[in-house]
Amino acid sequence: GESVGLHLPTLSVQEGDNSIINCAYSNSASDYFIWYKQESGKGPQFIIDIRSNMDKRQGQRVTVLLNKTVKHLSLQIAATQPGDSAVYFCAEAGGKAGNQFYFGTGTSLTVIP
Amino acid sequence: NAGVTQTPKFRVLKTGQSMTLLCAQDMNHEYMYWYRQDPGMGLRLIHYSVGEGTTAKGEVPDGYNVSRLKKQNFLLGLESAAPSQTSVYFCASSPWGGARETQYFGPGTRLLVL
Repeated sequence: GESVGLHLPTLSVQEGDNSIINCAYSNSASDYFIWYKQESGKGPQFIIDIRSNMDKRQGQRVTVLLNKTVKHLSLQIAATQPGDSAVYFCAEAGGKAGNQFYFGTGTSLTVIP
Repeated sequence: NAGVTQTPKFRVLKTGQSMTLLCAQDMNHEYMYWYRQDPGMGLRLIHYSVGEGTTAKGEVPDGYNVSRLKKQNFLLGLESAAPSQTSVYFCASSPWGGARETQYFGPGTRLLVL
Protein backbone atom coordinates (compact mmCIF):
# COMPACT_ATOMS: atom_id res chain seq x y z
CA GLY A 1 0.00 0.00 0.00
CA GLU A 2 0.93 3.64 -0.18
CA SER A 3 2.51 5.37 2.76
CA VAL A 4 3.68 8.81 3.61
CA GLY A 5 5.99 9.28 6.53
CA LEU A 6 7.93 11.99 8.25
CA HIS A 7 11.47 11.49 9.43
CA LEU A 8 11.17 13.50 12.65
CA PRO A 9 8.05 13.83 14.79
CA THR A 10 9.27 17.04 16.51
CA LEU A 11 11.50 19.93 15.56
CA SER A 12 12.58 22.93 17.62
CA VAL A 13 14.24 25.96 16.06
CA GLN A 14 15.29 29.38 17.21
CA GLU A 15 13.30 32.32 15.95
CA GLY A 16 14.94 33.69 12.83
CA ASP A 17 16.59 30.42 11.87
CA ASN A 18 15.57 28.36 8.87
CA SER A 19 13.50 25.20 9.36
CA ILE A 20 13.57 22.06 7.27
CA ILE A 21 10.84 19.45 7.57
CA ASN A 22 11.22 16.20 5.70
CA CYS A 23 8.81 13.68 4.27
CA ALA A 24 9.24 10.32 2.57
CA TYR A 25 6.72 8.73 0.26
CA SER A 26 6.59 5.23 -1.11
CA ASN A 27 4.46 5.39 -4.24
CA SER A 28 6.58 6.27 -7.25
CA ALA A 29 3.36 6.92 -9.21
CA SER A 30 2.38 9.85 -6.97
CA ASP A 31 2.40 13.01 -9.03
CA TYR A 32 1.16 15.75 -6.72
CA PHE A 33 2.26 16.73 -3.24
CA ILE A 34 1.01 19.26 -0.73
CA TRP A 35 2.31 20.65 2.52
CA TYR A 36 -0.26 21.58 5.14
CA LYS A 37 0.09 23.51 8.38
CA GLN A 38 -2.16 22.63 11.29
CA GLU A 39 -2.33 24.85 14.34
CA SER A 40 -3.67 23.53 17.59
CA GLY A 41 -7.43 23.07 17.48
CA LYS A 42 -7.72 24.03 13.83
CA GLY A 43 -8.02 22.32 10.50
CA PRO A 44 -5.11 21.82 8.10
CA GLN A 45 -4.22 24.91 6.09
CA PHE A 46 -2.64 24.73 2.64
CA ILE A 47 0.93 26.03 2.47
CA ILE A 48 2.41 25.03 -0.85
CA ASP A 49 2.15 22.31 -3.45
CA ILE A 50 4.36 20.79 -6.11
CA ARG A 51 3.78 18.53 -9.08
CA SER A 52 6.07 15.72 -10.06
CA ASN A 53 7.33 17.53 -13.15
CA MET A 54 9.07 20.02 -10.88
CA ASP A 55 11.82 19.61 -8.31
CA LYS A 56 11.51 22.95 -6.55
CA ARG A 57 8.83 25.49 -5.89
CA GLN A 58 8.99 28.66 -3.86
CA GLY A 59 6.36 30.60 -2.02
CA GLN A 60 6.47 33.35 0.52
CA ARG A 61 9.20 32.27 2.97
CA VAL A 62 8.61 28.63 2.06
CA THR A 63 10.26 26.34 -0.44
CA VAL A 64 9.33 22.78 -1.29
CA LEU A 65 11.90 20.42 -2.76
CA LEU A 66 11.00 17.18 -4.44
CA ASN A 67 13.52 14.41 -5.05
CA LYS A 68 11.77 11.73 -7.07
CA THR A 69 14.85 9.53 -7.20
CA VAL A 70 14.73 8.86 -3.46
CA LYS A 71 11.04 9.68 -3.06
CA HIS A 72 11.67 12.51 -0.65
CA LEU A 73 9.93 15.79 -0.07
CA SER A 74 11.03 18.67 2.12
CA LEU A 75 9.60 21.95 3.31
CA GLN A 76 11.96 24.79 4.06
CA ILE A 77 10.75 27.76 6.07
CA ALA A 78 12.99 30.80 5.99
CA ALA A 79 13.42 33.10 9.01
CA THR A 80 11.11 31.01 11.17
CA GLN A 81 8.70 33.01 13.29
CA PRO A 82 6.71 32.12 16.44
CA GLY A 83 3.57 32.03 14.30
CA ASP A 84 5.09 29.14 12.37
CA SER A 85 4.77 26.86 15.39
CA ALA A 86 2.36 24.14 14.31
CA VAL A 87 2.18 20.60 13.01
CA TYR A 88 3.17 20.23 9.38
CA PHE A 89 1.82 17.42 7.18
CA CYS A 90 2.82 16.32 3.77
CA ALA A 91 0.27 14.66 1.53
CA GLU A 92 0.54 12.84 -1.76
CA ALA A 93 -2.00 12.16 -4.47
CA GLY A 94 -1.36 8.51 -4.88
CA GLY A 95 -2.03 7.62 -8.48
CA LYS A 96 -5.63 6.54 -7.96
CA ALA A 97 -8.74 7.87 -9.63
CA GLY A 98 -10.15 11.00 -8.11
CA ASN A 99 -8.52 13.39 -5.73
CA GLN A 100 -7.66 11.00 -2.92
CA PHE A 101 -4.72 12.06 -0.82
CA TYR A 102 -2.59 10.13 1.63
CA PHE A 103 -1.36 12.09 4.60
CA GLY A 104 1.71 11.78 6.75
CA THR A 105 1.52 11.73 10.53
CA GLY A 106 2.97 15.22 10.89
CA THR A 107 5.98 16.99 12.38
CA SER A 108 5.48 19.33 15.28
CA LEU A 109 7.51 22.51 14.83
CA THR A 110 8.22 24.65 17.87
CA VAL A 111 9.81 28.05 17.42
CA ILE A 112 11.81 29.24 20.39
CA PRO A 113 11.70 33.05 20.84
CA ASN B 1 -16.72 33.66 2.24
CA ALA B 2 -16.86 31.48 5.32
CA GLY B 3 -15.07 28.67 3.46
CA VAL B 4 -15.71 25.28 5.04
CA THR B 5 -17.66 25.19 8.29
CA GLN B 6 -18.49 22.26 10.54
CA THR B 7 -21.21 21.72 13.12
CA PRO B 8 -20.92 20.90 15.99
CA LYS B 9 -17.44 21.75 17.21
CA PHE B 10 -17.51 19.21 20.01
CA ARG B 11 -19.81 16.38 21.03
CA VAL B 12 -19.91 13.63 23.63
CA LEU B 13 -21.89 10.48 22.85
CA LYS B 14 -22.62 7.30 24.69
CA THR B 15 -21.96 3.98 22.97
CA GLY B 16 -24.85 3.12 20.69
CA GLN B 17 -26.12 6.67 20.24
CA SER B 18 -26.41 8.20 16.81
CA MET B 19 -25.51 11.62 15.50
CA THR B 20 -24.94 13.60 12.32
CA LEU B 21 -22.03 15.91 11.62
CA LEU B 22 -22.74 18.73 9.21
CA CYS B 23 -20.25 20.21 6.78
CA ALA B 24 -21.05 23.25 4.68
CA GLN B 25 -19.01 25.07 2.04
CA ASP B 26 -19.79 28.31 0.24
CA MET B 27 -17.16 28.04 -2.50
CA ASN B 28 -19.33 26.13 -4.97
CA HIS B 29 -16.92 23.19 -4.84
CA GLU B 30 -17.90 19.94 -6.48
CA TYR B 31 -15.89 17.55 -4.31
CA MET B 32 -16.31 17.14 -0.57
CA TYR B 33 -14.57 14.79 1.86
CA TRP B 34 -14.80 13.50 5.40
CA TYR B 35 -11.61 12.54 7.24
CA ARG B 36 -10.82 11.38 10.72
CA GLN B 37 -7.64 12.30 12.56
CA ASP B 38 -6.28 10.11 15.32
CA PRO B 39 -3.14 10.55 17.45
CA GLY B 40 -0.02 9.25 15.71
CA MET B 41 -1.82 8.74 12.42
CA GLY B 42 -2.30 10.82 9.33
CA LEU B 43 -5.70 11.96 8.17
CA ARG B 44 -7.72 9.03 6.86
CA LEU B 45 -10.48 9.37 4.31
CA ILE B 46 -13.88 8.07 5.43
CA HIS B 47 -16.17 8.97 2.53
CA TYR B 48 -16.17 11.50 -0.24
CA SER B 49 -18.54 12.96 -2.78
CA VAL B 50 -17.86 13.97 -6.37
CA GLY B 51 -21.01 16.04 -6.67
CA GLU B 52 -24.55 16.58 -5.45
CA GLY B 53 -26.34 13.28 -4.99
CA THR B 54 -23.20 11.13 -5.15
CA THR B 55 -21.07 9.51 -2.46
CA ALA B 56 -18.21 7.02 -2.41
CA LYS B 57 -16.25 5.08 0.18
CA GLY B 58 -12.81 6.06 1.27
CA GLU B 59 -10.18 4.22 3.26
CA VAL B 60 -12.15 3.72 6.52
CA PRO B 61 -15.90 3.82 5.75
CA ASP B 62 -17.20 1.19 8.18
CA GLY B 63 -19.61 2.53 10.80
CA TYR B 64 -20.31 5.75 8.90
CA ASN B 65 -22.83 6.88 6.33
CA VAL B 66 -22.92 10.07 4.31
CA SER B 67 -25.32 12.08 2.21
CA ARG B 68 -24.92 14.96 -0.26
CA LEU B 69 -28.44 16.17 -0.93
CA LYS B 70 -27.29 19.71 -1.62
CA LYS B 71 -24.07 20.72 -3.31
CA GLN B 72 -22.98 22.90 -0.41
CA ASN B 73 -23.62 20.34 2.35
CA PHE B 74 -22.04 17.00 3.17
CA LEU B 75 -23.39 15.08 6.16
CA LEU B 76 -21.58 12.36 8.08
CA GLY B 77 -23.72 10.01 10.15
CA LEU B 78 -22.89 7.60 12.90
CA GLU B 79 -25.79 5.21 13.36
CA SER B 80 -24.49 3.45 16.47
CA ALA B 81 -21.44 5.15 17.92
CA ALA B 82 -18.56 3.09 19.27
CA PRO B 83 -15.58 4.17 21.40
CA SER B 84 -13.32 3.45 18.41
CA GLN B 85 -15.00 6.37 16.67
CA THR B 86 -13.62 8.82 19.19
CA SER B 87 -11.64 11.12 16.95
CA VAL B 88 -11.41 14.54 15.39
CA TYR B 89 -13.39 14.72 12.17
CA PHE B 90 -12.46 17.08 9.37
CA CYS B 91 -14.45 17.99 6.34
CA ALA B 92 -12.76 19.28 3.21
CA SER B 93 -13.75 20.43 -0.24
CA SER B 94 -12.05 20.95 -3.59
CA PRO B 95 -13.26 22.64 -6.79
CA TRP B 96 -13.29 19.69 -9.19
CA GLY B 97 -11.29 16.86 -7.69
CA GLY B 98 -10.58 15.11 -10.96
CA ALA B 99 -7.18 16.68 -11.38
CA ARG B 100 -4.71 17.11 -8.57
CA GLU B 101 -5.77 20.11 -6.58
CA THR B 102 -5.80 21.53 -3.10
CA GLN B 103 -8.41 20.54 -0.56
CA TYR B 104 -9.73 23.18 1.82
CA PHE B 105 -10.43 22.02 5.35
CA GLY B 106 -12.94 22.95 7.99
CA PRO B 107 -12.03 23.57 11.65
CA GLY B 108 -12.92 20.06 12.79
CA THR B 109 -15.40 18.34 15.09
CA ARG B 110 -14.11 16.63 18.21
CA LEU B 111 -16.15 13.56 19.05
CA LEU B 112 -15.83 11.58 22.26
CA VAL B 113 -17.69 8.28 22.51
CA LEU B 114 -17.98 6.90 26.03
